[in-house]
Amino acid sequence: DIQMTQSPSSLSASVGDRVTITCRASQAINNFLGWYQQKPGEAPKLLIYSASTLQNGVPSRFSGSGSGTDFTLSISSLQPEDFATYYCQQSYSAPRTFGQGTKVEIK
Amino acid sequence: QVQLVESGGGLVKPGGSLRLSCAASGFSFSDYYITWIRQAPGKGLEWVSHISGSSGYINYADSVKGRFTISRDNAKKSLYLQMNSLRDEDTAIYYCAREMFNSNNCDYWGQGTLVTVSS
Repeated sequence: DIQMTQSPSSLSASVGDRVTITCRASQAINNFLGWYQQKPGEAPKLLIYSASTLQNGVPSRFSGSGSGTDFTLSISSLQPEDFATYYCQQSYSAPRTFGQGTKVEIK
Repeated sequence: QVQLVESGGGLVKPGGSLRLSCAASGFSFSDYYITWIRQAPGKGLEWVSHISGSSGYINYADSVKGRFTISRDNAKKSLYLQMNSLRDEDTAIYYCAREMFNSNNCDYWGQGTLVTVSS
């Protein structure tokens, strides 16, 4: 199975900050990588698929990059509604494993 | 609009069984892989299983292999998860989600159904 390692596991940031979350796969997964946002009590929401393609309706302050084993989710200017937990998921092979999550908290 | 609605969760004793359902609407159900993903209380997301549109391709996480069975009825636009030999660690919210073409990530999710395994 492919292991996904996210870092950091949590971070504190202020509104307006640039935030970067990384995800590393235990083997090459081309660009089969998605990023999800989850708020308390809600189902996850797909933000980015194929490593860098923004899902419909997702604000352009979110961006993704990477290929192979190393990937990044960036938020260019953190907004109050962005405080949430973020997960990466590899979709290269089954089981389609998730990273352990990164909780973005208010500083 | 695309909608996925899970049902069938509840309280069950260790060793017991439960069958979850997911009712789909708003898209061509038989064209898509559908996935079960779970989240234990206060924990991260865990991929459980998925099934192809024709039911010809099925995969499971090692943690549920041999105990859980995924199936679907395309005529009823429904997905199922038969869960047997349940353990305390199966306690979680269970989500069904649709896999996108090509990228294989999940673009639509249900609201989840809670399964609690406890004596």
